Amino acid sequence: EVQLVQSGAEVKKPGESLKISCKGSGYRFATYWIGWVRQMPGKGLEWMGIIYPGDSDTRYSPSFQGQVTISADKSISTAFLQWSSLKASDTAMYYCARRGFDSKWYYFDYWGQGSLVTVSS
Amino acid sequence: DIQMTQSPSSLSASVGDRVTITCRASQSISTFLNWYQLKAGKAPKLLIYAASSLQSGVPSRFSGSGSGTDFTLTIRSLQPEDFATYYCQQSYSTPRTFGPGTKLDI
Repeated sequence: EVQLVQSGAEVKKPGESLKISCKGSGYRFATYWIGWVRQMPGKGLEWMGIIYPGDSDTRYSPSFQGQVTISADKSISTAFLQWSSLKASDTAMYYCARRGFDSKWYYFDYWGQGSLVTVSS
Repeated sequence: DIQMTQSPSSLSASVGDRVTITCRASQSISTFLNWYQLKAGKAPKLLIYAASSLQSGVPSRFSGSGSGTDFTLTIRSLQPEDFATYYCQQSYSTPRTFGPGTKLDI
């Protein structure tokens, strides 16, 4: 069974750093892209970026480029999303998701349960 | 970036109703369009990909159609568990933008 299990909720202060994780199981982790999606309180879904764990090829949305870092360690089947200096506006639920495919069509077919990040002084 | 819009933003319906949600892309995306369902406290669920292909395990009362810039998600015979927020997403180009969502409630 394919599963993505994310790290737990975090409460941080502005300016602090943070790294959240997403561990995959039940499939060959290195061979599927993993994406990150943000949902701010009361808002919709935002595509942040995506990484191929096999070679760490990473693509970012321009809205998130330079704001976060996406990484992966295929040896432990885990992807990461990190911030070097959090802002209150980073308060959100963050989902990781596996990018599945059928021929030329791509979609997020399996999702993590979400990691709630709260940034408050 | 490709901009995605959805209408309506919210919709009230009853069990047994047939509902249609519309998604529009700011440029042609062929059939590179996915639909997801999001319920509070749960991970998003893929319903439809390639505009009209039903994801495995998704009930057949869900269907999708469209190509180019205009797409629809139809749910026939609404069930209690269908009350949720629905998002479209284009998979034509990076960033793979989502629509703003349509909240379906009773």
